[in-house]
Order: sequence, then C-alpha cells, then structure tokens
Amino acid sequence: QTVVTQEPSFSVSPGGTVTLTCGLSSDSVSTSNYPSWYQQTPGQAPRTLIYNTNTRSSGVPDRFSGSILGNKAALTITGAQADDESDYYCLLYMGSVNWVFGGGTKLTVL
Amino acid sequence: QVQLVQSGAEVKEPGASVKVSCKAFGYTFNDYYMHWVRQAPGQGLEWMGWINPDSGGSEFAQKFQGRVTMTRDTSINTAYMELTDLRSDDTAFYYCARAWLAPYYFDYWGQGTLVTVSS
Repeated sequence: QTVVTQEPSFSVSPGGTVTLTCGLSSDSVSTSNYPSWYQQTPGQAPRTLIYNTNTRSSGVPDRFSGSILGNKAALTITGAQADDESDYYCLLYMGSVNWVFGGGTKLTVL
Repeated sequence: QVQLVQSGAEVKEPGASVKVSCKAFGYTFNDYYMHWVRQAPGQGLEWMGWINPDSGGSEFAQKFQGRVTMTRDTSINTAYMELTDLRSDDTAFYYCARAWLAPYYFDYWGQGTLVTVSS
C-alpha cells in the first residue's frame, strides 16, 4: 500500500517563508508522479494550487511555488500571509488506479 | 465558466446505499474524467476512483471495490457515485473533481456532499 507522507503541522511568521514536503514511505517522489498541491480552508472544497510539480493553477499568487527537493515534492510559500493559514494536501499519481493523497499539513501563520 | 454542482446532504442508516450526483457546467462533459474524493470529519482527503464519461468505464481504489459504482448520464452532463452497505465510518464529505490526464491532477472541484450514516 502506497503511503504519502506530509508534515502534520507547520508554523510560519507573517512575511516568512515555509516549505512543506510530500514524500513516499518507500521510494522517491519524481516528476513522473505529477505532484500536485491543494489548499483547503475549513468548510470549503479544496482549491488547486500547483500541478505537474511546479505549474501554478490559474489565479494562484506567485508566492506559491512547487519543486522536487531531494526525494520529495515541495510546496514553498514565500512571504506568507494570514489567509495562507489552511490545510495543504499533496496528491501523487501512482498509476491509473492509484492516486494517493498525503495526510495533509495544517499551516499556522502567526 | 466551469462548475461542478453536487446534490444535497444525505442521512442514511447503516447498511443502506447512497447515490451522490455531480452536474457539470461550462465544458464538454465527455472530454474529462471525473473522480470522487471523500473526507471524513477532521480527516484528510481520500481518493475513491474515477469514471470516463465518454466510455462509461471506471476504476476504483481497492478499498472501495465491490461497494462503489460510478455512472454517468451524458444527456444531462451528470456523474454519479453510489456507495452501498454504508457504515458509520462512511460518514464524510464526498467531492467530485474534474481531472486532467498527463499531467494528472484535479482542476475543478464540486462543493461537496455530506453523507451522514447513523441509526
């Protein structure tokens, strides 16, 4: 069974930079997993931020960026703002019948 | 513009079935796979499976094999997800999401449908 790992929680100061990661329990994440990232605030549906490792979805501010760092996918927020306080989920494509979300990271901005 | 509009909240007893709909607006329905994702209260996102609206073919996560059916009605641009033999741990928000293939990701999401399983 594929397990996708994310930090359960993270904290960043307003204006600061934070990098959230997305790994595999028994392998490296690569661009072939087409990492994507989703932001979710309480009571709302997820919002697509990043797809295909590093492509920002339409309307997403450029303070959000995606990359591969070492053996993990990464989401970096540069110049964090109060309304970035959300849950962030990564999604990895592991095959046509195996799309796997990470457990999510709860980001606090304070 | 693209919109996915889901049916309303449901309350079901254990052992019952539920069928959630997802009506698509603003694009050619047959051109994009539709996926279903669920989220139990206070928990993370869980991928359930997909349907190809063009062919009607579908695939599901192993966890849901035998309990989930995904169908569509192309005349009204609507996808359906039916889950049978409901248990209390099926209580969750169920989301439909439009998918791109290569790259593989979801670009639009429905608003979610809360299914509560309780006796």
